[in-house]
Amino acid sequence: AQSVAQPEDQVNVAEGNPLTVKCTYSVSGNPYLFWYVQYPNRGLQFLLKYITGDNLVKGSYGFEAEFNKSQTSFHLKKPSALVSDSALYFCAAYSGAGSYQLTFGKGTKLSVIP
Amino acid sequence: GAVVSQHPSWVICKSGTSVKIECRSLDFQATTMFWYRQFPKQSLMLMATSNEGSKATYEQGVEKDKFLINHASLTLSTLTVTSAHPEDSSFYICSARDWEISNPEAFFGQGTRLTVV
Repeated sequence: AQSVAQPEDQVNVAEGNPLTVKCTYSVSGNPYLFWYVQYPNRGLQFLLKYITGDNLVKGSYGFEAEFNKSQTSFHLKKPSALVSDSALYFCAAYSGAGSYQLTFGKGTKLSVIP
Repeated sequence: GAVVSQHPSWVICKSGTSVKIECRSLDFQATTMFWYRQFPKQSLMLMATSNEGSKATYEQGVEKDKFLINHASLTLSTLTVTSAHPEDSSFYICSARDWEISNPEAFFGQGTRLTVV
């Protein structure tokens, strides 16, 4: 069975500082990895994805993530955090193109402190 | 990217009544849609997979007679919470995947906040 782990329930970072939200995965076959962001009482918004190719993936709003196969990780990063980045972040995975069910991590609440 | 529209965004209903939530794929056809439930400060819990023209597939522990799913067309799936009770109050989210392209990205509706009083 596939699983996605987000080890931190909450991450606090000062505005302007770099941020990292951690994610590790366990899937059979080649993983398809995603990051989504959720604002209060809203659905999920797509940030970025890794399917194949370069391990460093750039996404929306200045976010990027690095796929590390040996460590089975896909950490989300941003060089300089904004207060408006405060939200709930979900890492998710499919195990290959044929898989139809997306597995989510439990989510990490990011708080950017002015 | 593709757009999934979910309606209503919030609803308040009395105990014992039924509530219908709609999920539409606006610019692509979705043979499969997914319904999730999210409790406060928790992740998304998959409730069921909605298949166009056939019965939905429910996850273990989800009452199919309580949460009726209909996927009558390639762009519309509905979730009906029947005889709602306060414990059904939650945030419900649908998603769909555009199978016509190789991009496996899932697109999500805006979510529906259901409050049963």
